[in-house]
Amino acid sequence: DIVMTQSPLSLSVTPGEPASISCRSSQSLLHGNGDNYLHWYLQKPGQSPQVLIYLGSQRASGVPDRFSASGSGTDFTLKISRVEAEDVGVYYCMAALQTPLFGQGTKLEIK
Amino acid sequence: QMQLVQSGPEVKKPGTSMKISCKASGITFVRSAIQWLRQARGQRPEWMGWIVVGSGKTKYAEKFQERLTITRDMSTSTVYMELSSLKSEDTAVYYCAAEIGDLGFDPWGQGTLVIVSS
Repeated sequence: DIVMTQSPLSLSVTPGEPASISCRSSQSLLHGNGDNYLHWYLQKPGQSPQVLIYLGSQRASGVPDRFSASGSGTDFTLKISRVEAEDVGVYYCMAALQTPLFGQGTKLEIK
Repeated sequence: QMQLVQSGPEVKKPGTSMKISCKASGITFVRSAIQWLRQARGQRPEWMGWIVVGSGKTKYAEKFQERLTITRDMSTSTVYMELSSLKSEDTAVYYCAAEIGDLGFDPWGQGTLVIVSS
């Protein structure tokens, strides 16, 4: 079975500073069509998850451009160029090539 | 823009069944696949299954294969998720979410808390 591993599991960031989250899959998420079937979600406190990034690096509609993502195959990274207070919550990567599977989550807090 | 509104919280006895609804608004409903996920307190979301709205085709996660049924009612733009033989470990917030193409799950319903307790 595929295993999704995120790091770090928690992050405390000063507003205006950058943040980076890593997601590693035990199996390649690169499809034959060239897309990486890896999505990023943010679950703000008390809310449903919301999509930030789809197919590895594509920002979802309405997502601020301070969010970016990269990676291919088994290693992916989500970056926030300048963290804002509204970015607090738990960030999940999700493998979408076969059965959807989430990573453990990374909790982002503001210092 | 599609919106998903789920039915309210439930308390169930072990061994019984639950059925949650997810009502969609917006013209993209028929082009979507509606996912069902659940999230126990403090845990990551867990995917349970989906239904392709247009065809009615379903796919279930292996662990739920025997007791999960997802259906849809096109006349009311509503998708239903029924889980039988409930156990205390089924206590969780249950979410529906739409997927159109490969754009990720968007939007999500507001979640439905289900407590299974004797």
